[in-house]
Amino acid sequence: QKEVEQDPGPLSVPEGAIVSLNCTYSNSAFQYFMWYRQYSRKGPELLMYTYSSGNKEDGRFTAQVDKSSKYISLFIRDSQPSDSATYLCAMRSGYNKLIFGAGTRLAVHP
Amino acid sequence: KAGVTQTPRYLIKTRGQQVTLSCSPISGHRSVSWYQQTPGQGLQFLFEYFSETQRNKGNFPGRFSGRQFSNSRSEMNVSTLELGDSALYLCASSQIKTGGQNSPLHFGNGTRLTVT
Repeated sequence: QKEVEQDPGPLSVPEGAIVSLNCTYSNSAFQYFMWYRQYSRKGPELLMYTYSSGNKEDGRFTAQVDKSSKYISLFIRDSQPSDSATYLCAMRSGYNKLIFGAGTRLAVHP
Repeated sequence: KAGVTQTPRYLIKTRGQQVTLSCSPISGHRSVSWYQQTPGQGLQFLFEYFSETQRNKGNFPGRFSGRQFSNSRSEMNVSTLELGDSALYLCASSQIKTGGQNSPLHFGNGTRLTVT
């Protein structure tokens, strides 16, 4: 079993929809949780960075962490075609060692 | 502020050769990490350097090595290339805050290595 599980999709939604992306993990020692967005032929771009349980909002993006369930989520409101990308969850394990999920491919169609 | 810069963007090598990839971190960032991204294995941690010292290493063979210079710039080297080393190699940098508080990693756009 992988330390971080993420459904690879693909996920296809209409423009304006609310998108929900999720990851589960097995290591209860993880405390820092990240979401990255990766466009084709580009490196991952940091979207959200959270510590421990709770919610964090940034514009159209909301990150949720539930440590008791070992479950993290990223919500995208009013999705746009420009949001079409691969979304990667990541957790910090030791000195700047990130454990990544497989990534979910999202397509937002007009 | 300039982002993480990786050179070259693309490389084609043949089996048995060696390759060196370069990374310039964001100004002020003193930690540099390297990751390998492949369709089958996803993103996997290679190693991390801070103050010219390797602090952490992933589960890769000794053919993969790296170093960091006093200006925080980093290089990674892969010797005796194999077909399976074809991948996108990503460099990430982060600040090291006082008190050891972690800051997030920021990635470059990677070097696409193809081994034939």
